[in-house]
Amino acid sequence: AQSVTQLDSHVSVSEGTPVLLRCNYSSSYSPSLFWYVQHPNKGLQLLLKYTSAATLVKGINGFEAEFKKSETSFHLTKPSAHMSDAAEYFCVVSAFKAAGNKLTFGGGTRVLVKP
Amino acid sequence: NAGVTQTPKFRVLKTGQSMTLLCAQDMNHEYMYWYRQDPGMGLRLIHYSVGEGTTAKGEVPDGYNVSRLKKQNFLLGLESAAPSQTSVYFCASRPQRTADHFTRTEAFFGQGTRLTVV
Repeated sequence: AQSVTQLDSHVSVSEGTPVLLRCNYSSSYSPSLFWYVQHPNKGLQLLLKYTSAATLVKGINGFEAEFKKSETSFHLTKPSAHMSDAAEYFCVVSAFKAAGNKLTFGGGTRVLVKP
Repeated sequence: NAGVTQTPKFRVLKTGQSMTLLCAQDMNHEYMYWYRQDPGMGLRLIHYSVGEGTTAKGEVPDGYNVSRLKKQNFLLGLESAAPSQTSVYFCASRPQRTADHFTRTEAFFGQGTRLTVV
């Protein structure tokens, strides 16, 4: 079984300040973890992924995430928010032998960026 | 590159009507998925397919049927639409290489279909 919990449904930041989106996961097997972003009325775009190589993963648009096995966490950060970062973000887990090798999504975190 | 294409993008149905959503991918991916997105619930898996001619149920399959007659297409059907099926539907595909490698590959998503049942 696998599951994902995104600890904040909404995050509000000022432009130029750091962004932190928190994600905890549960998996019976060694997981792969992903962060996707969805801008309003758009599809989902991959930000970054962890696949058991380096625990600190860099993605697009200045985002990065750190895999911490002991804490079962995969938090997403960005040092300086931009107005274009306003979107919904999804943390996703996938594990070998999960039925259909499916992706399991967290509930999402909506980010608001204030000028 | 088209990637994953969903048809239609918007639809309004009356309760009890039927419709089919089409998903087409041009990346020769083995795995395909249908998700629904509802506020605060993320994306939930409806049905999925691990290859041509095969389908399986996901988390929320009731009221939906699927077919995968061709590798590149995955159809989602609503036989008798209900207001509870008002949602945004996403199709995704994922490549199958080695079993271990597979888990490390991301899914590619379509742009979504916004369905309203009145």
